Amino acid sequence: NAGVTQTPKFQVLKTGQSMTLQCAQDMNHNSMYWYRQDPGMGLRLIYYSASEGTTDKGEVPNGYNVSRLNKREFSLRLESAAPSQTSVYFCASREGVYNEQFFGPGTRLTVL
Amino acid sequence: AQKITQTQPGMFVQEKEAVTLDCTYDTSDPSYGLFWYKQPSSGEMIFLIYQGSYDQQNATEGRYSLNFQKARKSANLVISASQLGDSAMYFCAMRELSGGYQKVTFGTGTKLQVIP
Repeated sequence: NAGVTQTPKFQVLKTGQSMTLQCAQDMNHNSMYWYRQDPGMGLRLIYYSASEGTTDKGEVPNGYNVSRLNKREFSLRLESAAPSQTSVYFCASREGVYNEQFFGPGTRLTVL
Repeated sequence: AQKITQTQPGMFVQEKEAVTLDCTYDTSDPSYGLFWYKQPSSGEMIFLIYQGSYDQQNATEGRYSLNFQKARKSANLVISASQLGDSAMYFCAMRELSGGYQKVTFGTGTKLQVIP
């Protein structure tokens, strides 16, 4: 039981490059989330998926797209990376005993 | 208006002492939930404790307790008998129904440093 896994752990991109962050959970949770964490700003929701086949925008969706490939996997795509997207990205799934979220280890992304 | 406010960017506490981390919230949803998460320097987010809006008693989990004052809309985390391993960022979060889905909002965090 690995919980929530994310790949890659670290990534450096040049402005304009694209990439996909992968996330998978093995807890059979319906809800999955993508957050970004910037210094002094806590975690801000980019996109979420309430169930397989559905996705919705969160607080800061511009510049990102997502795919809920199946119940396990939820990917985040940057089509044309910008320096403002330098951040730590966390994937989470939810449906714990208290409906708490379970987080992946994070991806540290730097855009030059 | 901020949904979750953590007014203490940083806190120091002596080892073995108790410390309170503040959190206030704002919501119109009568059925909401409050969470605290710990983020050590290694970066992972660890769930600590939960309080539901209808819970009559304050939540406790080991050395963690949540001082829930509903009328004041506050949900402070109390850590008793602080240990060096408690040094970390602490985030307060709230789950509420917003726009048809269960939205979770995080505060900006408090950095706790435990002094030996």
